[in-house]
Amino acid sequence: GQSLEQPSEVTAVEGAIVQINCTYQTSGFYGLSWYQQHDGGAPTFLSYNALDGLEETGRFSSFLSRSDSYGYLLLQELQMKDSASYFCAVSSGYSTLTFGKGTMLLVSP
Amino acid sequence: SQTIHQWPATLVQPVGSPLSLECTVEGTSNPNLYWYRQAAGRGLQLLFYSVGIGQISSEVPQNLSASRPQDRQFILSSKKLLLSDSGFYLCAWSVGSNEKLFFGSGTQLSVL
Repeated sequence: GQSLEQPSEVTAVEGAIVQINCTYQTSGFYGLSWYQQHDGGAPTFLSYNALDGLEETGRFSSFLSRSDSYGYLLLQELQMKDSASYFCAVSSGYSTLTFGKGTMLLVSP
Repeated sequence: SQTIHQWPATLVQPVGSPLSLECTVEGTSNPNLYWYRQAAGRGLQLLFYSVGIGQISSEVPQNLSASRPQDRQFILSSKKLLLSDSGFYLCAWSVGSNEKLFFGSGTQLSVL
């Protein structure tokens, strides 16, 4: 089976940088994804890492270390609208993702 | 462009009643389709996925079933709802082995 661990909550202030970590255990691994979900809304795709290293998309970056079964999402220049839940997810089969329980990010002024 | 429609947005049903949630995708062919459930404050649990018409894989044994009568239509059903079926149900699609899922707007189901 698959299991993922990520912090339940992270707080930060506007303009700051925050890192959300994710460790995983899985039988078979294709890649690590990150999704953002605002309260009451649907998850939206942020990033995907299949290989080790850093992927940058605007203010968001995602990192993967396959040997450590570890990844993180880095959010820079935080804005109030970034307050949301962030989920890491692993793919170990045919496009079937297993999600972590999510990290609630609270951004304060 | 591709779009996904999921309805209804909210649903209140009594225990023991049937359920039918429908999801349709537009603008793409032969998508992979998924049903996820999210309990309050929790992660997303994969319930069913389908790689083609009539092909359904169940990830968690439960009181629910899924069907795919058409290429871009995915239906989640139950004959008799339980209290534990309450949650936020999300339909999603992807194409091929693409790891990127596109989610519908979800259905908040309350079983009372």
